[in-house]
Amino acid sequence: KAGVTQTPRYLIKTRGQQVTLSCSPISGHRSVSWYQQTPGQGLQFLFEYFSETQRNKGNFPGRFSGRQFSNSRSEMNVSTLELGDSALYLCASTLGLAGGSGETQYFGPGTRLLVL
Amino acid sequence: AQSVTQLDSHVSVSEGTPVLLRCNYSSSYSPSLFWYVQHPNKGLQLLLKYTSAATLVKGINGFEAEFKKSETSFHLTKPSAHMSDAAEYFCVVSERARGTGFQKLVFGTGTRLLVSP
Repeated sequence: KAGVTQTPRYLIKTRGQQVTLSCSPISGHRSVSWYQQTPGQGLQFLFEYFSETQRNKGNFPGRFSGRQFSNSRSEMNVSTLELGDSALYLCASTLGLAGGSGETQYFGPGTRLLVL
Repeated sequence: AQSVTQLDSHVSVSEGTPVLLRCNYSSSYSPSLFWYVQHPNKGLQLLLKYTSAATLVKGINGFEAEFKKSETSFHLTKPSAHMSDAAEYFCVVSERARGTGFQKLVFGTGTRLLVSP
């Protein structure tokens, strides 16, 4: 089985622009979670999608949004980029809802976003 | 709310010596606990998980962790370090979101393991 794939792997944007990142989960997995990883804040949960619905949300501003398609692929969008949005964005897929008893999250390699 | 504390930001060992990465958790109910490893410029890989079965959990690459409820700890150990073990390690607890009841993962701040020849 193919693992979790994320595109693009690297991205450079300027302040004020918007960006869309894509995540394809493991075949058959229905949940996709997104995380932001920075040296200062560590790994922070952004949101989780399950069956095309946002099921869980972290403490990020509304500039961060996402969606999930019927094939479970997910996209996250960041509008009006700020310098502080520079980070590694990781997505993870789970068969069922993430964090459930016994559920394992499988992570993709991440998209490294640099905002200039 | 659940939380995780990784007691050491960096741990240095010599190849062939034991590894101990410490993790304490806070949870109001029986938690699920995980250890993940992240190699440079890579995503996270699951090492092992505890889900209220056996308290001693064996994972991949010779790692294991013991769940100690009385100490609220879930330390990661390995008898003999290998150079390829050099990476960042994250202790993770599942947290139930208020209101919705859905669970999400809460990550520790990570411990960087350095292995010298």
